[in-house]
Amino acid sequence: SAVISQKPSRDICQRGTSLTIQCQVDSQVTMMFWYRQQPGQSLTLIATANQGSEATYESGFVIDKFPISRPNLTFSTLTVSNMSPEDSSIYLCSVLTGESSPLHFGNGTRLTVT
Amino acid sequence: QQQVKQSPQSLIVQKGGISIINCAYENTAFDYFPWYQQFPGKGPALLIAIRPDVSEKKEGRFTISFNKSAKQFSLHIMDSQPGDSATYFCAASSWGKLQFGAGTQVVVTP
Repeated sequence: SAVISQKPSRDICQRGTSLTIQCQVDSQVTMMFWYRQQPGQSLTLIATANQGSEATYESGFVIDKFPISRPNLTFSTLTVSNMSPEDSSIYLCSVLTGESSPLHFGNGTRLTVT
Repeated sequence: QQQVKQSPQSLIVQKGGISIINCAYENTAFDYFPWYQQFPGKGPALLIAIRPDVSEKKEGRFTISFNKSAKQFSLHIMDSQPGDSATYFCAASSWGKLQFGAGTQVVVTP
């Protein structure tokens, strides 16, 4: 299975600032996704990171707040912009390596906004 | 609106017992049903998964039962161990996009 690395693993940020989270995979993947897990909650899909085009956002998530890049088939970034304490969550990257492959996650980025 | 409903919210089982977690879905476009295990401070780890053309899948002490007509699936953890104490999430996928259940916190007592 693909090895997924996320950076940073955790961060504490001040309100109003932005943080960019990186997701690196050790092999080319067909699809990459970003999820959010709020404290004590389940995971919610933020968007699909599309290689070479704009990300596809789920209902309730917008590009201005969560800009996403995917410059190639192994790397993506998620930026959490103009942060507020409500953005304190774990942000996770997931990848799909093939049509019939399982879906794995990285260990996530634990973000605390003060 | 939650597309995947999971129960129970929490579960306490004695060592050696069976843990059973149930999930139900509505969207018939889902084509992949994984279960994830998550420990505090860690990302969710894929435990076992099933596709809708199979009614049961077993891997070690973990078994998924799948009922396509009822749109339900469940996870059975046999011979539960204290190390199985974690939060378990069911999920359903369409085109790689996962919808998660709310999660079940499982505590296995010695």
